[in-house]
Amino acid sequence: KNEVEQSPQNLTAQEGEFITINCSYSVGISALHWLQQHPGGGIVSLFMLSSGKKKHGRLIATINIQEKHSSLHITASHPRDSAVYICAVRSTNTGNQFYFGTGTSLTVIP
Amino acid sequence: NAGVTQTPKFRVLKTGQSMTLLCAQDMNHEYMYWYRQDPGMGLRLIHYSVGEGTTAKGEVPDGYNVSRLKKQNFLLGLESAAPSQTSVYFCASSYWTVEAFFGQGTRLTVV
Repeated sequence: KNEVEQSPQNLTAQEGEFITINCSYSVGISALHWLQQHPGGGIVSLFMLSSGKKKHGRLIATINIQEKHSSLHITASHPRDSAVYICAVRSTNTGNQFYFGTGTSLTVIP
Repeated sequence: NAGVTQTPKFRVLKTGQSMTLLCAQDMNHEYMYWYRQDPGMGLRLIHYSVGEGTTAKGEVPDGYNVSRLKKQNFLLGLESAAPSQTSVYFCASSYWTVEAFFGQGTRLTVV
């Protein structure tokens, strides 16, 4: 069973396009994280959300707790945005474990 | 710089060899985690710790052991490496619901 589902799995966009990555989850959560992983690289946390919306530069993350859904938007995409984006939820069970989606591989073409 | 440091970054082992991966954090976080990342799968939890001296099993604990003797360090051990343990290993730490921090990963190949 997958506690966290992401879509799409792969995404190719032209530079400048508006991008949306979706995440749905099935467990009770205390927080949802959006993570970024560049090829061969480490994992960086972009956002932590428990409600509403957050914005960092060209990145916007939203969450709807009632619908158990979150979206990550990238405005005016750039080739340096090419990476794998991972949705992770922090469950409310013992140990406050994280459950991870399988990631969305984004390629932005110049 | 504050963060999570993993050592080593790369390692090749022969089947049956043992090794220890070290995760160190300097943020005084209570929670520490070891994950493995395999192609086409989300990160899977191997073991975790909610404080110094405590450890617990995650989703895929078989073949691994851990220890948290000091709050800042979380060690992952492979007693007898198997090819199925070829993976990228990530350590993470966090304090309750505060943003999680991840290490740079350890790429392990077992031949």
